[in-house]
Amino acid sequence: GQNIDQPTEMTATEGAIVQINCTYQTSGFNGLFWYQQHAGEAPTFLSYNVLDGLEEKGRFSSFLSRSKGYSYLLLKELQMKDSASYLCAVRARGSTLGRLYFGRGTQLTVWP
Amino acid sequence: NAGVTQTPKFRILKIGQSMTLQCTQDMNHNYMYWYRQDPGMGLKLIYYSVGAGITDKGEVPNGYNVSRSTTEDFPLRLELAAPSQTSVYFCASSYTSGDSNQPQHFGDGTRLSIL
Repeated sequence: GQNIDQPTEMTATEGAIVQINCTYQTSGFNGLFWYQQHAGEAPTFLSYNVLDGLEEKGRFSSFLSRSKGYSYLLLKELQMKDSASYLCAVRARGSTLGRLYFGRGTQLTVWP
Repeated sequence: NAGVTQTPKFRILKIGQSMTLQCTQDMNHNYMYWYRQDPGMGLKLIYYSVGAGITDKGEVPNGYNVSRSTTEDFPLRLELAAPSQTSVYFCASSYTSGDSNQPQHFGDGTRLSIL
């Protein structure tokens, strides 16, 4: 089976840096996605990791360690608009349909 | 570019009623998915399709049915609505799967309440 854990809530102040962790246990690993979801809206794609290391995209970076079953999403220079839920999703090996298993999401609140 | 379009955006049903949630995509994606999202919970896969004429069950298929007659459309049918089906439903599509880095693209969701 698949088990994906991430913190339920986090808070930070504008301009700060925040790290959202995700740990996973899968029967096989074939990629990890991070999505952002604003309240009442659809999830939107942020990043993808399949190899160990850091992927950087502007203010957002995502890190993966396959041996530890661990990923994090790093948000720099936080803005009010970054207040949202951040979803970690894992694709299991052998999942020929690209099926993703989602964590419950981390609700980030950015304060002025 | 419209992407993934879901209708309706909101709906209230009585117990026992039936309805169809519509989903269409204009990106020529072969894979399509239906999820439900309950408060504080992750997205749960209901049904998926790998192409026209091919569908299969996800994690929580009971009480739902789907069809995929065209590449573009993937409707979700509730036959006998139950309060447990109160949720937000998201349709998603992706170009390919397996080892691809192509993400799933989501529609705006349908907020369904069963009373």
